[in-house]
Amino acid sequence: KAGVTQTPRYLIKTRGQQVTLSCSPISGHRSVSWYQQTPGQGLQFLFEYFSETQRNKGNFPGRFSGRQFSNSRSEMNVSTLELGDSALYLCASSLVGGETQYFGPGTRLLVL
Amino acid sequence: QKEVEQNSGPLSVPEGAIASLNCTYSDRGSQSFFWYRQYSGKSPELIMSIYSNGDKEDGRFTAQLNKASQYVSLLIRDSQPSDSATYLCAVMRNYGQNFVFGPGTRLSVLP
Repeated sequence: KAGVTQTPRYLIKTRGQQVTLSCSPISGHRSVSWYQQTPGQGLQFLFEYFSETQRNKGNFPGRFSGRQFSNSRSEMNVSTLELGDSALYLCASSLVGGETQYFGPGTRLLVL
Repeated sequence: QKEVEQNSGPLSVPEGAIASLNCTYSDRGSQSFFWYRQYSGKSPELIMSIYSNGDKEDGRFTAQLNKASQYVSLLIRDSQPSDSATYLCAVMRNYGQNFVFGPGTRLSVLP
């Protein structure tokens, strides 16, 4: 069974731009969670989607948003990028949420 | 107090020794506990999950959970240089809630 895939793998943007990241979960998984990982803050939860609805949300500003499609694929968007948004963005999927999560390879975003 | 705490390390052990990684959590309602391993530049990969008090063994890995003490640990027997990585403890409070990750412990196994 194919694992979680994320695109793009690497991205360079400038301050003020916006970016959209994509995540395709493991086949059959309906819960998708997004995390931001930085050396200083570690792995921080952004939000979780299940059946096209945001079910949980972390403590991030409204510039961070996401959505999930009917095939469970998910996107996250960051608007008005700031230097501090430079990070590894990880997507994780699970069957229905609340059990083991499996991570994708991540998207490394650099904001200049 | 952070919700999930781990010693940041680095924890250095010689090859063949037992590495002991510890994690404490603050929410007594937490139900599910996970250990992930993350190599530098890679994404976290699941090592083990544990849900009830006691020990759970899988190969060279043993997870231990003590809910009364709000403590979960991971033992790695016969440590190998390939075990050198950051180990992340993750806690889920209730079913359907999000994971909370600890800061991770960096393990270095010296040949």
